[in-house]
Amino acid sequence: EIVLTQSPGTLSLSPGERATLSCRTSQSVSSSYLAWYQQKPGQAPRLLIYGASSRATGIPDRISGSGSGTDFTLTISRLEPEDFAVYYCQEYGSSRTFGQGTKLEIK
Amino acid sequence: EVQLLESGGDLVQPGGSLRLSCAASGFTFSSYAMSWVRQAPGKVLEWVSAISGSGGSTYYADSVKGRFTVSRDNSKNTLYLQMNSLRADDTAVYYCAKGSREVRPYYFDYWGQGTLVTVSS
Repeated sequence: EIVLTQSPGTLSLSPGERATLSCRTSQSVSSSYLAWYQQKPGQAPRLLIYGASSRATGIPDRISGSGSGTDFTLTISRLEPEDFAVYYCQEYGSSRTFGQGTKLEIK
Repeated sequence: EVQLLESGGDLVQPGGSLRLSCAASGFTFSSYAMSWVRQAPGKVLEWVSAISGSGGSTYYADSVKGRFTVSRDNSKNTLYLQMNSLRADDTAVYYCAKGSREVRPYYFDYWGQGTLVTVSS
């Protein structure tokens, strides 16, 4: 089973700043089968990125994904108040495993 | 508009059973795989089970294999999760999630709001 390790566990930033979230996998992810989800308190997760770098429908272009192999990154270029949430990465090519999440909080 | 509405969550005693349902609308249900994903209070997301669009292939996490059964009724656009021999560590919000295609590999492009299952005496 592929293990996904997200870092940092918590990221404290201010609106307008740039956020960089990391997701490392224990094995190479084939064909970049890596997705990112956002979850706000009391809500269901929402798909942000699939295929490591493709934005889901309705996701603003300030949110972007990159990476391949075992190293993946979610970047939010200019934080808006609605971006503060928990972010999960998921490998969906073989194991469907989720990472443990990164909490993005307001500084 | 894609909508997924879970139901069936409840308080159940250890060793008991429960059946969750997920009513889907806004897409051709039989053309997409479906999954159940759970989240224990304050914990991370855990994939539980999946079923192909036709219902011919099913998959389970090791933690529920032999106790949970996933099924679907494509004539009713409904996904089910039969949960038997429930344990305290099955306590979680259970989300129904739509796969991006009929068979693997797929990501989850839409999620329901979840239904709470509490296993306690």
